[in-house]
Amino acid sequence: QVTLKESGPGILQPSQTLSLACTVSGFSLTNYGMGVGWIRQPSGKGLEWLANIWWDDDKHYNPSLKNRLTISMDTSNNQAFLTITDVDTADTGTYYCGRIDRQVGYHFDHWGQGVMVTVSS
Amino acid sequence: DVQMTQSPYNLAASPGETISINCKASKSISKYLAWYQQKPGKANELLIYDGSTLQSGIPSRFSGSRSGTDFTLTIRGLEPEDFGLYYCQQHNEYPFTFGSGTRLEIK
Repeated sequence: QVTLKESGPGILQPSQTLSLACTVSGFSLTNYGMGVGWIRQPSGKGLEWLANIWWDDDKHYNPSLKNRLTISMDTSNNQAFLTITDVDTADTGTYYCGRIDRQVGYHFDHWGQGVMVTVSS
Repeated sequence: DVQMTQSPYNLAASPGETISINCKASKSISKYLAWYQQKPGKANELLIYDGSTLQSGIPSRFSGSRSGTDFTLTIRGLEPEDFGLYYCQQHNEYPFTFGSGTRLEIK
């Protein structure tokens, strides 16, 4: 059974760095074609794709935030990470991770339940 | 970036009815569009990918179709558990982009 679970700090202050983790099970981050992506959703608003990381450590970022984003993974612990630097209130929302199996397509076939992040002074 | 224009924003329907939700891409995305269902307290669920391929485990009352850059999600014979938010996403090119969502409510 494929599962993904996000974790994060809950609340942080403007200008701080947001660090998120996605712990996966039921598949390996090193399997050919596997990827994990991060997507966020401001409260009451739509979904925004942020970044993907692939089994071979290839990475892709949303250009609208690229300078602030870093995606990485720890394959020994089945985790993917996302950091966002210099956060402000616009970064408040729910952050999701999702799995992509590139051998099937570039859609997210499994999602975590999301983690809420609030940026407030 | 590919802009995804999703409509309607809100949709009210009764159980048993058939409804359609539309997404229009600002340029060609070939067939590469996915549909997701979002419900409170549950992980987002993939319904359709590649425009019309039904994800494993999803009931056959859900279907997807494509005409050029216009994509449609159809639900035939609405069930009570189908009410929620629906999003489309193009997965043809980076950056991936989503539609603005459709809220399907009980009439």
